[in-house]
Amino acid sequence: QKEVEQDPGPLSVPEGAIVSLNCTYSNSAFQYFMWYRQYSRKGPELLMYTYSSGNKEDGRFTAQVDKSSKYISLFIRDSQPSDSATYLCAMNPGNTGKLIFGQGTTLQVKP
Amino acid sequence: DTEVTQTPKHLVMGMTNKKSLKCEQHMGHRAMYWYKQKAKKPPELMFVYSYEKLSINESVPSRFSPECPNSSLLNLHLHALQPEDSALYLCASSQAALTSGRANEQFFGPGTRLTVL
Repeated sequence: QKEVEQDPGPLSVPEGAIVSLNCTYSNSAFQYFMWYRQYSRKGPELLMYTYSSGNKEDGRFTAQVDKSSKYISLFIRDSQPSDSATYLCAMNPGNTGKLIFGQGTTLQVKP
Repeated sequence: DTEVTQTPKHLVMGMTNKKSLKCEQHMGHRAMYWYKQKAKKPPELMFVYSYEKLSINESVPSRFSPECPNSSLLNLHLHALQPEDSALYLCASSQAALTSGRANEQFFGPGTRLTVL
């Protein structure tokens, strides 16, 4: 079993939909949770950084962490075709700098 | 300057060649990272420099040799690579060094797409 599980998709939604992307994990020591967006043939772009449990909002993006369920989510409101990309969750128990990534979910937003 | 830059964008090399990848950041970040990413896979950590010192080597073969000449610059020297080393090589940096949880807040460059023939 992988430490971080993420459904690879692809996930296809119409423009304007609310998108929910999720990761589950097995290591209860994880404390730091990140979401990255990666366009084809580009480097990952940091979208959200959260520590411990709770919600964090930034524009159309909301990150949620539920440590009791070992489950994290990224919500995208009013999705746009420009949101079409691969979304990677990443996490770490401490300050090693070694991010444990999920496999990535490919999202397509259709006009 | 708020970005990580990498050169070259693309590199094709033979198995007997020696080449280098370069990464720069001028954000005053204290840690820098090399990752390797194969198609449809997540990035895999190779090396971490914290305060210009090599802190993590993820058992990477010696044909990959990192170097951190100063706090803004990170190189990856390549020698006698194999075709299976073809991948996207990503550099990242974090404002915090490995003494802080914010070392997990990593910012990536665009990558160098390497093809080994």
